[in-house]
Amino acid sequence: AQSVTQLDSHVSVSEGTPVLLRCNYSSSYSPSLFWYVQHPNKGLQLLLKYTSAATLVKGINGFEAEFKKSETSFHLTKPSAHMSDAAEYFCVVTPGGATNKLIFGTGTLLAVQP
Amino acid sequence: DVKVTQSSRYLVKRTGEKVFLECVQDMDHENMFWYRQDPGLGLRLIYFSYDVKMKEKGDIPEGYSVSREKKERFSLILESASTNQTSMYLCASSSLASQAYNEQFFGPGTRLTVL
Repeated sequence: AQSVTQLDSHVSVSEGTPVLLRCNYSSSYSPSLFWYVQHPNKGLQLLLKYTSAATLVKGINGFEAEFKKSETSFHLTKPSAHMSDAAEYFCVVTPGGATNKLIFGTGTLLAVQP
Repeated sequence: DVKVTQSSRYLVKRTGEKVFLECVQDMDHENMFWYRQDPGLGLRLIYFSYDVKMKEKGDIPEGYSVSREKKERFSLILESASTNQTSMYLCASSSLASQAYNEQFFGPGTRLTVL
């Protein structure tokens, strides 16, 4: 069965410091992996996606994630946090094949302190 | 840009009422989805649809039904609302062209409160 685990429910960083949001996945197939962001009172927006091309994926707003098959991880990073990065982040896996289903992690709430 | 709209941002209903949540997408997407979002649980799939008049149960379909009479519109129905259906409801769509990547586009959500 496919699943995704976000290791931290809350992360707090200071503005200008690095961001690391951790995600581990479980999949029987070659998965596609995504990070979505949800700002307060807004819908989900796609940050980046991994689809078996380059293992280091660059997304919007300076975020990137690295697919590590040996560690079954897909951690999200950003070198320098900005106040506007405060939001909830979801790691998402899709098992591959013809399915359209997405499997969401439980989310990580990122707080950015001034 | 893909646009997914939901009929209401906030909705308050009473226990036992029939509730309709509407979702419209303007990009001619074949696939549409309804999720509910609860704190600490992430998003859970209620129902999805691959085509007009087609529907499939997701992970938590109990207490819900759906309708897709037109390609652009996907409705979620709570036949008899209960307090445990108080939640944020999110609609999403995706195209067959991006099926290999399963990228979904989300609406802003409807926050439903059942009293």
